[in-house]
Amino acid sequence: AQKITQTQPGMFVQEKEAVTLDCTYDTSDPSYGLFWYKQPSSGEMIFLIYQGSYDQQNATEGRYSLNFQKARKSANLVISASQLGDSAMYFCAMREGEGGSEKLVFGKGTKLTVNP
Amino acid sequence: EPEVTQTPSHQVTQMGQEVILRCVPISNHLYFYWYRQILGQKVEFLVSFYNNEISEKSEIFDDQFSVERPDGSNFTLKIRSTKLEDSAMYFCASSEIFSGYQETQYFGPGTRLLVL
Repeated sequence: AQKITQTQPGMFVQEKEAVTLDCTYDTSDPSYGLFWYKQPSSGEMIFLIYQGSYDQQNATEGRYSLNFQKARKSANLVISASQLGDSAMYFCAMREGEGGSEKLVFGKGTKLTVNP
Repeated sequence: EPEVTQTPSHQVTQMGQEVILRCVPISNHLYFYWYRQILGQKVEFLVSFYNNEISEKSEIFDDQFSVERPDGSNFTLKIRSTKLEDSAMYFCASSEIFSGYQETQYFGPGTRLLVL
């Protein structure tokens, strides 16, 4: 079974509008962290935002926020006021366990295109 | 802002040749990682490294791969006898300490390896 599922291969949004990128995850571990990374066409991986499984509040970082619904095992990324520079691939990733595995498990990504 | 750097940005090699990919992690970070991304696919974990030894590796990380921290700043991935299927983007990442699932891994810009 896929640990991280991103069901939207591509998304389009108008500049200045908000967009939600979906991510669902699968784990039986009560302790886990969820991460979002941005990959522009140049290829680098840029960390955006983190949400821990025990965090009571949804994470926010500037224009990025995470809609964390633990019961549904979803951690959707919300980008507000989209900019042309937001056009990129976006990857959701998970890391499981307190003191456990060190690896990040990634989803297949969503390609976001921001239209002027 | 400190960042992970990688050299070279691109490498073309002949099948069967050895390649060494180099990384300089963020200076106060103690955990280092290699990931790879085959074109159009998800990012996959290869190996993690701490205190001068491998702490975790994936099934992909077989005997043709090795990692080393030859000095206080560099972290290298060696592929002994490259295969066509090794063509991918290779990312180095580092994290400050190992506090479990909460620790953010910061990625370098990647080395795009093409095996002919």
